Formats: sequence, structure tokens, C-alpha cells
Amino acid sequence: KNQVEQSPQSLIILEGKNCTLQCNYTVSPFSNLRWYKQDTGRGPVSLTIMTFSENTKSNGRYTATLDADTKQSSLHITASQLSDSASYICVVIDLYGQNFVFGPGTRLSVLP
Amino acid sequence: DAGITQSPRHKVTETGTPVTLRCHQTENHRYMYWYRQDPGHGLRLIHYSYGVKDTDKGEVSDGYSVSRSKTEDFLLTLESATSSQTSVYFCAITRDRGFSSGNTIYFGEGSWLTVV
Repeated sequence: KNQVEQSPQSLIILEGKNCTLQCNYTVSPFSNLRWYKQDTGRGPVSLTIMTFSENTKSNGRYTATLDADTKQSSLHITASQLSDSASYICVVIDLYGQNFVFGPGTRLSVLP
Repeated sequence: DAGITQSPRHKVTETGTPVTLRCHQTENHRYMYWYRQDPGHGLRLIHYSYGVKDTDKGEVSDGYSVSRSKTEDFLLTLESATSSQTSVYFCAITRDRGFSSGNTIYFGEGSWLTVV
């Protein structure tokens, strides 16, 4: 069964610090991998989209990496801000099943 | 932000009553989806639509039905609500079904449903 796992489940950091969120998947073959940010009480919003041939993709202070060989992706947040407090969801696109496979998310809390 | 409106945003209903959630989009996207989001689970697909009156089941479709009479509207109905259907429901849209990296998924703001 195609699965997407994320770690840690939750994370607390101080404002200004960096952090890295992990995503492991078993979806194969996959078309592309996406990271979404979901603020409390809101819908998810796209941060990055990477195809299997891309290793790194940046969006401001957010940098996503992808290792298609080990089926791992990470989202690195630099110089965190209070507004980064949210859930971050990893989504892997199942090429054959034509499905979006969602991870359970990592809940990030940035404290002043 | 994509033009997606969900209604109602919050609803409390009793077990056994029918409930309809509405999703309205102004993007003229062909594909529309209903997902539910529960703690510890990723978003799970309930039903999706690939055109007016064209719908198909997702992985958790039992107890739910959908209808799409216009391009812009996609309705999710719980014929007889149960406590297990207490959840947050998200509508999503995509331009097409293709899974190229250029095909972005846009989500609505969610509908919080509590079945007591």
C-alpha cells in the first residue's frame, strides 16, 4: 500500500532557529512530491513542488530536498518566524493510481 | 488565493440526520474533490468529480454521496450522519487529472462537522 510517513509528529522551536521536517514514502513510481503548509483552521497551501529529477527546491526561507533513491524528502525552515507555526504536509503523487497520497503532517510551533 | 468557498464552515448535527456540504469554485477547474481530515491521518479522498454529472468514489466513500450539476458547484451529502463522520471536510480543485508538477491542488478553507 502506498504510504507517506512524516516525522516528527510535532516540534517546538524558538523564533529565529532553524528546523528540518522529514517525509518518507513508499509510493512508487511517483510523479512528483509536494509540501503544503496548513495554518490552524485553514486549508493547506502549496509551498513547493518537486519532480523525481529535482533534488532541491526553495521558496523563500523554505527549502525542500528530495532523494528519490531512498524515497525521502525533507523541508528545511531557516530563521523561523512566529508565522511559521502550522502543520506541514507532505504529498506524493502516485503515478499509476493517479492519486494524491497525503502524509499525516508535522505540527510546528514557533515560540517567542 | 484560489476562489473556493465552502459552506457551512461549521455545523453541529444529530446522529441520523442528513447533512449537505457545498463547495463553490470560481476558477472553472474541471476536477473537484472532497477530502476528510482526521487527527493522525493524512487527508483521505471521499469522492471526486471530473465534470458535470461525472463523479467517482475515493478510498472512504461509504456513507457519502456527491452531486455536481454545475461546473462551479460540488455537493457532499451525508444521508444519515453518524458520529464517525465527525471530521473536517475539505474541498479541493485541480485544473485537470494529470499529475504533472504544474497541476496545483487548491484547497478550500474547510467545513467543521460535529455529529452528536
